[in-house]
Amino acid sequence: AQRVTQPEKLLSVFKGAPVELKCNYSYSGSPELFWYVQYSRQRLQLLLRHISRESIKGFTADLNKGETSFHLKKPFAQEEDSAMYYCALISGGYQKVTFGTGTKLQVIP
Amino acid sequence: EAGVAQSPRYKIIEKRQSVAFWCNPISGHATLYWYQQILGQGPKLLIQFQNNGVVDDSQLPKDRFSAERLKGVDSTLKIQPAKLEDSAVYLCASSHGGEKLFFGSGTQLSVL
Repeated sequence: AQRVTQPEKLLSVFKGAPVELKCNYSYSGSPELFWYVQYSRQRLQLLLRHISRESIKGFTADLNKGETSFHLKKPFAQEEDSAMYYCALISGGYQKVTFGTGTKLQVIP
Repeated sequence: EAGVAQSPRYKIIEKRQSVAFWCNPISGHATLYWYQQILGQGPKLLIQFQNNGVVDDSQLPKDRFSAERLKGVDSTLKIQPAKLEDSAVYLCASSHGGEKLFFGSGTQLSVL
């Protein structure tokens, strides 16, 4: 069965410091991984997907199949990055989406 | 485009009562998901529809939860009877091809 693990419930960093939100997964097939974000009082929304290899709002994430990880990184944190971040895995023919428990990122001014 | 609509926004009931949630997905989205998010946890998939058919309900407590998606558009999720541990936010999401989910605002349920 698929599983997504986010080991940190809360990550606090100072503005301008680098950010790394950890995500590890367990899946026997070929994984498709995503990061979703929920800003205060807003809906959960897609931030980025590994297949696109894109940078959104300065964030990047690289899929490491050897370490089964998909960590989210940003070189310089901004106050507006403060939010809940969820790592997610798509699996199966019907595209089942499994979420991790989430990490709250708090950027200290 | 219009987003995923959910109602009600909040609901407070007593244990053993019944409650129903409604979701209107984005037009044209074949896949509809219901997630339960308990405070401090990630969203947990309850049921997934492809058009009006169920493709995954493995984590739906079928003794008390039920869901339907008539005509492959709107969906309702029902809990009968509710328990204290059902207190959570119930999220509806839809997608066109499964890769990007669009979420509603959620229904916050409190069971007293």
